[in-house]
Amino acid sequence: DIQMTQSPSSLSTSVGDRVTIACRASQPINTYLNWYQQRPGRAPKLLIYAGSTLQTGVPLRFSGSGSGTDFTLTITSLQPEDFATYYCQQTYNTPITFGQGTRLEIK
Amino acid sequence: EVQLLESGGGLVQPGGSLRLSCAASGFTFSYYAMSWVRQAPGKGLEWVSSIDDNSGGTYYAGSVQGRFTISRNSATNTLYLQMTSLTVEDTAVYYCAKDLMMYAKHWYFDLWGRGTLVTVSP
Repeated sequence: DIQMTQSPSSLSTSVGDRVTIACRASQPINTYLNWYQQRPGRAPKLLIYAGSTLQTGVPLRFSGSGSGTDFTLTITSLQPEDFATYYCQQTYNTPITFGQGTRLEIK
Repeated sequence: EVQLLESGGGLVQPGGSLRLSCAASGFTFSYYAMSWVRQAPGKGLEWVSSIDDNSGGTYYAGSVQGRFTISRNSATNTLYLQMTSLTVEDTAVYYCAKDLMMYAKHWYFDLWGRGTLVTVSP
């Protein structure tokens, strides 16, 4: 199974900050990497797929990059609604695996 | 309205069985691969199972292989997850999710239901 490791596990940050979340795969996965946002009590929401493609309706302050084993999700100018947990997901092969999550908290 | 609505969760004893359903509406269900993803209380996301758009292929996490069965009925636009030999480790909110692209199995989950809670407890 491909292991996905996110860092950091949590991050205390402020509205207006720029945030970068890292995700590392245990083996190369090309760009088969997606990012989701999950707010408390809600279902996850697809933000980025195929490494860097922004899902329809997702604000442009979100961006994804990387290939192979190392990926990043960047959020420029954090908004109040962005404080949530973010997950990376590899879809290179099954079993599909998720990172453990990165929780963004308000400083 | 495009949506997924899960049902069938509840309290079950270890060793018991449960069948989850996911009613799809607002899109052509038969065109899309579908999946189940679960989330234990306070934990992260765990993929459970997926099925191709034409039911030709099914895929399972190792933790549920041989115990869970995914299926779909395009006549009723419903996705199912038959769960047997349940253990306390299966306690979670179970979400159904739709693939972003039709006639493909990219496993980009662009539409999720609200989830149904399965609690396995003596």
